Amino acid sequence: DQQVKQNSPSLSVQEGRISILNCDYTNSMFDYFLWYKKYPAEGPTFLISISSIKDKNEDGRFTVFLNKSAKHLSLHIVPSQPGDSAVYFCAATEYNFNKFYFGSGTKLNVKP
Amino acid sequence: DVKVTQSSRYLVKRTGEKVFLECVQDMDHENMFWYRQDPGLGLRLIYFSYDVKMKEKGDIPEGYSVSREKKERFSLILESASTNQTSMYLCATNGAGGTEAFFGQGTRLTVV
Repeated sequence: DQQVKQNSPSLSVQEGRISILNCDYTNSMFDYFLWYKKYPAEGPTFLISISSIKDKNEDGRFTVFLNKSAKHLSLHIVPSQPGDSAVYFCAATEYNFNKFYFGSGTKLNVKP
Repeated sequence: DVKVTQSSRYLVKRTGEKVFLECVQDMDHENMFWYRQDPGLGLRLIYFSYDVKMKEKGDIPEGYSVSREKKERFSLILESASTNQTSMYLCATNGAGGTEAFFGQGTRLTVV
């Protein structure tokens, strides 16, 4: 059973608007959460992360929000750009960082 | 910069062949991982290794084995390739206590 879930396989957004990608998890032992971005025929690249002791982390146009009680996190991209079009994976790990659990991904399409 | 190099970008193999996928990292990381990526299923962990000659099964180890004879190299072996092993294979690494995993560029394997 998947411990990290991304229930929206795709999302389409107009350039300049906000993109919101969602992720849910089931394992309460997860301590650290990450978002990766993946272009076709390339490996995933790290985008942004958040520790369970925080509820928000911001890096330029990217902000990740964590709601521990709901076991939910989201990635906000503002403003969205066509170059953001990619598959986004949510990932989680326990404190020892020995294993990373990934969601099924959300394909974001930002329309010019 | 961390460099994770997978030996092939694209491979085509026949059913029943023994297939070797190689991964080399240059950052002296302890942990190395093999994932496969399939549409709708995201990244699923096949095997991981936290030290030379050490290995642990991930979520989908059936039909695969691994070898880690040197710290920088982690090999994934398909003992007898089958068509359901057609997939994108991704190698990743992270250092002990490191907060993110670094990925190689991926190997697109097709088994015919």
